[in-house]
Amino acid sequence: SQQGEEDPQALSIQEGENATMNCSYKTSINNLQWYRQNSGRGLVHLILIRSNEREKHSGRLRVTLDTSKKSSSLLITASRAADTASYFCATHEGYQKVTFGTGTKLQVIP
Amino acid sequence: GAGVSQSPSNKVTEKGKDVELRCDPISGHTALYWYRQRLGQGLEFLIYFQGNSAPDKSGLPSDRFSAERTGESVSTLTIQRTQQEDSAVYLCASSLGSGGLAGGPGFFGPGTRLTVL
Repeated sequence: SQQGEEDPQALSIQEGENATMNCSYKTSINNLQWYRQNSGRGLVHLILIRSNEREKHSGRLRVTLDTSKKSSSLLITASRAADTASYFCATHEGYQKVTFGTGTKLQVIP
Repeated sequence: GAGVSQSPSNKVTEKGKDVELRCDPISGHTALYWYRQRLGQGLEFLIYFQGNSAPDKSGLPSDRFSAERTGESVSTLTIQRTQQEDSAVYLCASSLGSGGLAGGPGFFGPGTRLTVL
C-alpha cells in the first residue's frame, strides 16, 4: 500500500480561487515533499518540509505539516490555469525508499 | 546535461518480447530511482540505486524485471517476456546526496511510455 495518500482525488476550481489538497501518511518521516506532474510529463519538485517544521511557503504555495496527525496540506493561492496538473506528496519508508501517493488531479478553469 | 534524460520516449512492443529502457541521470547525482506509473495512477516504486551500495530492489514486481547501473551514471531497466500489464510510463529520477530522494529534491526524467500489444 502507498505510504502517502492524497485527497481529494480530483479538484476543479475557478482561476483565482485557492486550492487545497491533503496528504496522509503512515510512518514517521524526516521530511515530506510535494511534486507536480503536468500531463504526460515527469514530476517537478515543488517544496520540502522537514519534520520539525509546521509551515513553509514558496511563492503561491503554502505547505503545512502535522506530524501528530501524520498529515500535510498543500495550498495554492490565487490559482492560475497553468496550475492545472496532478499533485503528489512523497514520503519515505525506511530512510531512502521514497514512495508517492496516487495524487490529486487539479483542474483550474480559466 | 541539463536534466535527467530517458530513452526511448515511446516504445511499442509485442507481448513476449524483451525491452530495455535507459536513464541518464544528472551528472554527480549518486541516487537513482525507477518508478512505474500506470495510466491515471500514482507512482509505483521499482528500484533504488545509491552510489556503489547494493540496490534496493524491493519494488520490482517480478523476476522479469531487472535493472543495472554503471557506477554513478547510466541505468538500464530491462523487462523480459513483456506482458500487457507492463504497459505504463516508466519514470527515472536522480538526486544528489546520500539521502536520495528522501533527503532532498528529486529530478525526474520525462519517462518512457511502454505499450505492450
